[in-house]
Amino acid sequence: GESVGLHLPTLSVQEGDNSIINCAYSNSASDYFIWYKQESGKGPQFIIDIRSNMDKRQGQRVTVLLNKTVKHLSLQIAATQPGDSAVYFCAENIRGGATNKLIFGTGTLLAVQP
Amino acid sequence: SQTIHQWPATLVQPVGSPLSLECTVEGTSNPNLYWYRQAAGRGLQLLFYSVGIGQISSEVPQNLSASRPQDRQFILSSKKLLLSDSGFYLCAWRDRINSPLHFGNGTRLTVT
Repeated sequence: GESVGLHLPTLSVQEGDNSIINCAYSNSASDYFIWYKQESGKGPQFIIDIRSNMDKRQGQRVTVLLNKTVKHLSLQIAATQPGDSAVYFCAENIRGGATNKLIFGTGTLLAVQP
Repeated sequence: SQTIHQWPATLVQPVGSPLSLECTVEGTSNPNLYWYRQAAGRGLQLLFYSVGIGQISSEVPQNLSASRPQDRQFILSSKKLLLSDSGFYLCAWRDRINSPLHFGNGTRLTVT
């Protein structure tokens, strides 16, 4: 099956600092990527997405960077706030024939210290 | 607007009992539907997805099955639950390729 992964790595930052969460994806044919935020006991919540023909996309306080050469994705959160504390997942869209599925990375726990 | 309903929110079932989790989507037609499972402190594992009625793709051979009897209804089932089936089950939908998945609130299943 697809990656489920190990126990979550943790990124601890001070309130007001910028956060960078990294993700390595597996399939060079993946054409669409998404970042999700998951709070305890809830379903994942969409943050931002990017298509493979782009290198960078900005939202409100968030930026996603895509490096297809090394199959790397990052999420930058500006001026991190306590409400940003959550688990963050990247996901890659894999397509081919009848396949159309979104595979998630292992996740990173972001802990914001006040 | 589109909404997704998933129930029940929590479920405690004995080993060997059957399972049926239901997910319905409103406000859209012919959505792509997905079932994921999440173990505590871990990532999301894709179990099944469906691109249309009666079309089910299984990602991980295991003790579970899925069905899509109607366009906006996706059901996850088991005939006999195992302890290892415990987890947080999430249903999701999207209306087209290369668009975000929208998740339900999940079902916390504990098999005892």
